[in-house]
Amino acid sequence: NAGVTQTPKFQVLKTGQSMTLQCAQDMNHEYMSWYRQDPGMGLRLIHYSVGAGITDQGEVPNGYNVSRSTTEDFPLRLLSAAPSQTSVYFCAVSSGSAYEQYFGPGTRLTVT
Amino acid sequence: GQQVMQIPQYQHVQEGEDFTTYCNSSTTLSNIQWYKQRPGGHPVFLIQLVKSGEVKKQKRLTFQFGEAKKNSSLHITATQTTDVGTYFCAGTGGSEKLVFGKGTKLTVNP
Repeated sequence: NAGVTQTPKFQVLKTGQSMTLQCAQDMNHEYMSWYRQDPGMGLRLIHYSVGAGITDQGEVPNGYNVSRSTTEDFPLRLLSAAPSQTSVYFCAVSSGSAYEQYFGPGTRLTVT
Repeated sequence: GQQVMQIPQYQHVQEGEDFTTYCNSSTTLSNIQWYKQRPGGHPVFLIQLVKSGEVKKQKRLTFQFGEAKKNSSLHITATQTTDVGTYFCAGTGGSEKLVFGKGTKLTVNP
């Protein structure tokens, strides 16, 4: 079992470019979420999903889109990248927000 | 919205000294979780507390949940170099959002 996988591991974008960060799980958990981690800011919730077809906003959703068409995948889309989106992005998977979160290895994104 | 505050932001100790990090929420929490993140790694779950006044121990680590379910602490006795990392608390206030504190970065001088 791979658990939680994230691709790519590293990415450099120019301002205005778009990209999709991938998150996939083989744990059959319903709850998936995206966090960004910046120095001194901890982990901030971007978007989350309680199951296929259901998504909701977290603390910092602006500039990001998500969809959840399957239980396994929860991609995060940046439509027009900005330098303020330079960060490390973590996907997390669990049975729900009140349960142990399993984090992926992260994607380090730099926007120039 | 729900806010989770964590102090201190940084803590440097000599190996063998004790360490404590504190977590405070602006709202009553349904539960609180603690995570550890090693440098360059991803957060890893340590424990969850659910009951008011709950205390749990994992070897040298002691976790407490306040009576009002608005604060929590993690205490490490006799730190070791393997304890180095950032410790995060995270809580839910009845919604499906899990909100993290900013973390306490622990460094240990051997």
